Amino acid sequence: GAVVSQHPSWVICKSGTSVKIECRSLDFQATTMFWYRQFPKQSLMLMATSNEGSKATYEQGVEKDKFLINHASLTLSTLTVTSAHPEDSSFYICSARRLAEAYEQYFGPGTRLTVT
Amino acid sequence: DQQVKQNSPSLSVQEGRISILNCDYTNSMFDYFLWYKKYPAEGPTFLISISSIKDKNEDGRFTVFLNKSAKHLSLHIVPSQPGDSAVYFCAASLTGNQFYFGTGTSLTVIP
Repeated sequence: GAVVSQHPSWVICKSGTSVKIECRSLDFQATTMFWYRQFPKQSLMLMATSNEGSKATYEQGVEKDKFLINHASLTLSTLTVTSAHPEDSSFYICSARRLAEAYEQYFGPGTRLTVT
Repeated sequence: DQQVKQNSPSLSVQEGRISILNCDYTNSMFDYFLWYKKYPAEGPTFLISISSIKDKNEDGRFTVFLNKSAKHLSLHIVPSQPGDSAVYFCAASLTGNQFYFGTGTSLTVIP
């Protein structure tokens, strides 16, 4: 159990367009979902934490108007990169946490975004 | 400001020997530590964790040691197997609401 999916797995978009990435917990209810970003050969950087039904909490330095996060249900969270620029190109990974667990989080396979 | 550091970007070990991956942190308020294994273009997979109130946790071939005074933790894999070859990330958490990851150590187990 504890499977998390992401869609799409990779996406190429033009500069100035918006891209939506979905994160789904397939076999459990996720009260909290996390969004990370990873640059090559660097660590995962937490972008924001979202709890179902409430606004996401963004880490310092992350533009909330650029990276829109919606956690509409206990199994789905979406990250929308608005007006994407080449510097937004990165590997985006979501994770989900079950209600009964305080620390363990289950990661999705990630989404490779390339902005041309 | 990197609060969690893995100073060895890579490590090679012979099959059957022990692999020791190290991790250092700066924030004494971290209360939980986790190790993840990651393959390219995939999300991390949880491996083992330890609470700050413990100094050792063992799960099969994997053991994590925590030295709070030194702000250091390590992951021991014994015996190492070729299938263990991957990138290993350590992570530290503040009350489960914030997670900080190290930069990863790429482990290669040589058959």
